[in-house]
Amino acid sequence: EVQLVESGGGLVQPGRSLKLSCAASGFTFSNYYMAWVRQAPTKGLEWVASITNSGGSTYYRDSVKGRFTISRDNAKSTLYLQMDSLRSEDTATYYCTRDPTEGIVEDWFAYWGQGTLVTVSS
Amino acid sequence: DTVLTQSPALAVSPGERVTISCRASESVSTLMHWYQQKPGQQPTLLIYLASNLESGVPARFSGSGSGTDFTLTIDPVEADDTATYYCQQSWNDPTFGGGTKLELK
Repeated sequence: EVQLVESGGGLVQPGRSLKLSCAASGFTFSNYYMAWVRQAPTKGLEWVASITNSGGSTYYRDSVKGRFTISRDNAKSTLYLQMDSLRSEDTATYYCTRDPTEGIVEDWFAYWGQGTLVTVSS
Repeated sequence: DTVLTQSPALAVSPGERVTISCRASESVSTLMHWYQQKPGQQPTLLIYLASNLESGVPARFSGSGSGTDFTLTIDPVEADDTATYYCQQSWNDPTFGGGTKLELK
């Protein structure tokens, strides 16, 4: 069974940093393209960043470019999101997601974690 | 970015047929997908590539469309289908529609 378990969320002041983790199990992590999707309170879904299965290529939405870094440790089956220079508009539940098919980029989200809440406030 | 537009809300009675629409600001071919999100839960994939039913999803759900106009149909609607439904395109950087909240009368 595919499982994605996020951690690392919490309350952080504007301008500070936070690092999210996503522990994956139930599949061969190194074979799949992964992504982070977020949802602000009472709002819709928003793609944040993606990473290829090797970690060699990364992609970001414009509003987080230069502030967020997606990475992965295939030996630990773990996905990360380093978030720097946080802003109030980054307040959201962050979901770890997995592409449906191993080895290829498809950019839709077949599996989702339960999410971790990040609140940016002074 | 490709903008996806959905109607914000619908109300239907159990047993009825409901269609939820999604319009893209440019053609996305059939690279459109649908998700269901129940309150307090993560989204789940219902339909991929416009018309393919995800494994384990009831056959009451179906999808259609190509280019810029897409539809998610639920027939018949059941009480458990109360949720917000999102479309998402993968033609370019992923974007989601604003969601359609489905309520049962």
